[in-house]
Amino acid sequence: GAVVSQHPSRVICKSGTSVKIECRSLDFQATTMFWYRQFPKQSLMLMATSNEGSKATYEQGVEKDKFLINHASLTLSTLTVTSAHPEDSSFYICSVSLRTSGGATDTQYFGPGTRLTVL
Amino acid sequence: QKEVEQNSGPLSVPEGAIASLNCTYSDRGSQSFFWYRQYSGKSPELIMSIYSNGDKEDGRFTAQLNKASQYVSLLIRDSQPSDSATYLCAVNTLRDDKIIFGKGTRLHILP
Repeated sequence: GAVVSQHPSRVICKSGTSVKIECRSLDFQATTMFWYRQFPKQSLMLMATSNEGSKATYEQGVEKDKFLINHASLTLSTLTVTSAHPEDSSFYICSVSLRTSGGATDTQYFGPGTRLTVL
Repeated sequence: QKEVEQNSGPLSVPEGAIASLNCTYSDRGSQSFFWYRQYSGKSPELIMSIYSNGDKEDGRFTAQLNKASQYVSLLIRDSQPSDSATYLCAVNTLRDDKIIFGKGTRLHILP
């Protein structure tokens, strides 16, 4: 079954508005979640690592004031795209890090993604 | 040198044949290796993980790992049109316990 859920799956908004995307881990606690962005026909780009109870770690070139991440509980991380513009239109995907039995390191499981369209 | 490299493709394989996807990585100390499948417009889905040298089989999928040569491959037997997707190779580096993804190989199974 699904390990991670995201909401909403699709959102269309006007330029200048803010959009919040939720990522939830199902049936387990996730101290670390990741946020990715993927433009059409492009590869996954890691935006930030979300740590429960502390500030997110952003990748180089990702504006932390534009992409606000809150990981307030062990099952929920949110990404808020502030003052969205058409160039922010993309597929946003979260993932959770889970140590499976027999695994030497964590494995990442992805949510279904959120398609953002900014008009 | 890129950390995880894959041929972008597209790789075209006739239905019923074996599809072979390859990946090389730069961090010699990497311990965990993953293959994800991503259909167009969807998020990646984990299909295989491998931690030890050799082969690991799961249904029609076989992952192969050679740490000495720093490559990992995925074989898909009896390829089906539904296998057409982008396959992402991912490696967990020891440096910061972060999973690094390749850019993916587009696979097209010809009916």
